[in-house]
Amino acid sequence: SQQGEEDPQALSIQEGENATMNCSYKTSINNLQWYRQNSGRGLVHLILIRSNEREKHSGRLRVTLDTSKKSSSLLITASRAADTASYFCATRRSNQAGTALIFGKGTTLSVSS
Amino acid sequence: GAVVSQHPSRVICKSGTSVKIECRSLDFQATTMFWYRQFPKQSLMLMATSNEGSKATYEQGVEKDKFLINHASLTLSTLTVTSAHPEDSSFYICSARSRGLEKLFFGSGTQLSVL
Repeated sequence: SQQGEEDPQALSIQEGENATMNCSYKTSINNLQWYRQNSGRGLVHLILIRSNEREKHSGRLRVTLDTSKKSSSLLITASRAADTASYFCATRRSNQAGTALIFGKGTTLSVSS
Repeated sequence: GAVVSQHPSRVICKSGTSVKIECRSLDFQATTMFWYRQFPKQSLMLMATSNEGSKATYEQGVEKDKFLINHASLTLSTLTVTSAHPEDSSFYICSARSRGLEKLFFGSGTQLSVL
C-alpha cells in the first residue's frame, strides 16, 4: 500500500521558475525522504527531514515538514531543464521484516528551456 | 556515494520462461535489500524485503512462488520471475540499505517484457 500522496501529479514550468511539490502521508513518522527518478532509471535520494525538523535546505532544494498536517513540500528553486524527472516522497514502515520505505504516487516535473 | 548495480537493464523473454535479476551493492554491505515493481507513470510498489541470510518477507498480494528472492550474501540479492507471463511485464527496481542508514540506494532498474 502507498503511504504518501503527492500533488500535483504533473507540473510543467519554464526554466528559472520555482517548482513546488506537496506530499501528504497517513501515519506518524520519524522522518520523510524525497527521491528523484529520471525516466527509466532507479531513484536517487535527495533529502531527508526528521520529524523534529520543520525545514531543511540542500542547494536549490528546500523541504518543509508539518507533522500536525501530515504533509511535506519540496521546493526546487531556479529550475533547470535537467531537473525534469519524477519526484517521490517516502516514509518508513516497520513490520516483522524490519523497516521499508513506502513511496507516494509521485509528481512528474517537466522543465522546458 | 554507495553504488548498487542491477543487471540486466532490459530483458525480453517468452511466456513461460524464468528470468533472474541481480542486484549487487558494490562498495557497502547491504543488510537489507528491497525489491520494488513499477508500472508506467506509476509509483513504486514494494514487493518484498530481504535480510541477508533469511527468507524474504513478501508484501500482501505478491506471490512468493512466482517471485523468488534470494539474499545469500551482504552484497547480492536476486529476484527470479518464474514462469513469466505478459502481465509480469514491468520495471523492477532493487534497493539496498546499509546498517544504521535511513536512506536507500537504488539500482538502475530492469525493464522486463514478456512476449
